[in-house]
Amino acid sequence: DAGITQSPRHKVTETGTPVTLRCHQTENHRYMYWYRQDPGHGLRLIHYSYGVKDTDKGEVSDGYSVSRSKTEDFLLTLESATSSQTSVYFCAISPRGTNEKLFFGSGTQLSVL
Amino acid sequence: DAKTTQPNSMESNEEEPVHLPCNHSTISGTDYIHWYRQLPSQGPEYVIHGLTSNVNNRMASLAIAEDRKSSTLILHRATLRDAAVYYCILRSTNAGKSTFGDGTTLTVKP
Repeated sequence: DAGITQSPRHKVTETGTPVTLRCHQTENHRYMYWYRQDPGHGLRLIHYSYGVKDTDKGEVSDGYSVSRSKTEDFLLTLESATSSQTSVYFCAISPRGTNEKLFFGSGTQLSVL
Repeated sequence: DAKTTQPNSMESNEEEPVHLPCNHSTISGTDYIHWYRQLPSQGPEYVIHGLTSNVNNRMASLAIAEDRKSSTLILHRATLRDAAVYYCILRSTNAGKSTFGDGTTLTVKP
């Protein structure tokens, strides 16, 4: 299994509070991604990174920001959490190219009350 | 971004072959066809991918139409552990974004 660790695994927070999710990889892969998955639906891309300090928006980036200061860490921040951001968040990595296979973490269940 | 279309659900009997279809009529020349599956409460797992030619690995086979506008994931002998949601997505060499649809929920009956 690819070395991907997401933390925390579960989090409950209140509306309006900031939240940061962490994705840590030990594979030295170039690309890292954050997806969200709502019940009964597929994954939607939030942001992705193609290198240290290089990031781009996905299809549902509003309300989220990301940072990548080291190859191994990709942080997802909800500046002011809302109930609509209650979801399961998955981190993924891929080695060198955007055509290559994705390896996913185990997910973070976030509940915003 | 190019989109994929899959049936919402399919059923199979254990130990029989399963053919999961995917349509991608707007595929471009730089798009690779990828398949992933997701078991309950887990992250998606890579299954197989290809560009133009049919591909085989220990998990499955991928048959790609000659015009590349459709593909089929083939599980040669379905087991109960193959029950999952299967996603067909396109990944391009010149774009970081990959769009997941809602996938196909495969039910395997004993």
